[in-house]
Amino acid sequence: QQQVKQSPQSLIVQKGGISIINCAYENTAFDYFPWYQQFPGKGPALLIAIRPDVSEKKEGRFTISFNKSAKQFSLHIMDSQPGDSATYFCAALLNNAGNMLTFGGGTRLMVKP
Amino acid sequence: NAGVTQTPKFQVLKTGQSMTLQCAQDMNHEYMSWYRQDPGMGLRLIHYSVGAGITDQGEVPNGYNVSRSTTEDFPLRLLSAAPSQTSVYFCASSHLAGGSSEQFFGPGTRLTVL
Repeated sequence: QQQVKQSPQSLIVQKGGISIINCAYENTAFDYFPWYQQFPGKGPALLIAIRPDVSEKKEGRFTISFNKSAKQFSLHIMDSQPGDSATYFCAALLNNAGNMLTFGGGTRLMVKP
Repeated sequence: NAGVTQTPKFQVLKTGQSMTLQCAQDMNHEYMSWYRQDPGMGLRLIHYSVGAGITDQGEVPNGYNVSRSTTEDFPLRLLSAAPSQTSVYFCASSHLAGGSSEQFFGPGTRLTVL
């Protein structure tokens, strides 16, 4: 049973557009929500993260929006660039469970020039 | 700092063969873990360790063994490979730091079991 559901599986956006990736979780004990970016042939790398006591976090062109009541969070990439083309994973970390991350299924983003 | 290193990068096995995937980190991280990545399923935790001599199972531990004799190394052993273990394997490490510490991933090992 997948505790973190991610959509869409793939996304094509024009250069300069906004990319939006959505995630939903079930376990209300999750208390840390990171997003990872993965380029082909590489391991995932932390992009941005948020805690549930904050509704939004912005770092450059990347923004996480968090809706605790709906148990949903999303990644927005503003002014998307071809260099943003990668696979993005949302994840959730369970309170008092060490560093065990539960990942969503991933979104393959392609930004067309 | 080399970060998290994994060897080999690619491996082809026949059903029933055994092998060990190597993982090492030079950041003095307490926490190390192994994930497998399959299309559409994200990364799933196989085994993890919070320090030398301490290991525990993750979401999909069957068919895999681990040990942690040093802080730096965390090898993953496949005792009798099966085609269902065809996947990309990632090792990750982090400080424990209350659970929100950034996890650093290695470059992965692509394993094919025929």
